[in-house]
Amino acid sequence: DAGITQSPRHKVTETGTPVTLRCHQTENHRYMYWYRQDPGHGLRLIHYSYGVKDTDKGEVSDGYSVSRSKTEDFLLTLESATSSQTSVYFCAIRQGALNYGYTFGSGTRLTVV
Amino acid sequence: KNEVEQSPQNLTAQEGEFITINCSYSVGISALHWLQQHPGGGIVSLFMLSSGKKKHGRLIATINIQEKHSSLHITASHPRDSAVYICAVGYVKTSYDKVIFGPGTSLSVIP
Repeated sequence: DAGITQSPRHKVTETGTPVTLRCHQTENHRYMYWYRQDPGHGLRLIHYSYGVKDTDKGEVSDGYSVSRSKTEDFLLTLESATSSQTSVYFCAIRQGALNYGYTFGSGTRLTVV
Repeated sequence: KNEVEQSPQNLTAQEGEFITINCSYSVGISALHWLQQHPGGGIVSLFMLSSGKKKHGRLIATINIQEKHSSLHITASHPRDSAVYICAVGYVKTSYDKVIFGPGTSLSVIP
């Protein structure tokens, strides 16, 4: 969807290095989310944001931090990458909470070696 | 017991067949989402519903709140329908809405 872009699309990094993934939206939606998708698991929420500088943890937040200094950008940082963080990461946006649909980014495939 | 379950896990169908994918959940919800993910691709939202039935082209989604069950139907299936279909349920948890994603149903439609 042209309204949401993730970068990079693919990344290989070494264990112990910091990594930042970027999610950019042009829809001016309030809610932004970072999920990870792994075989055998459904999408799992890492962190989410309900406004500029307003963020909170999801169910698998250990080892991750986020920042949202502008409405359009939501950054996910792996402070010190580990092999267990090898995954596909999806960003999503919603206009509002509860009964609003999602728009997902194309995903970032991260490999930690 | 997982909070969101889907069946079947995998499904192979012949082109033209009518397909049903089921989703059952164990929590009281505010809305249920059906998503589609093509191999190697991104995730597309198909439906969001909180009651009744919705239809878009050859896709129909129904929900029964009392039975905590939803179905996604595909009529006249086509190979381009081959994808993983994900059910997700949303409910209010303290100050935010929590969404739980099911494990997905992998559909392959053979010409």
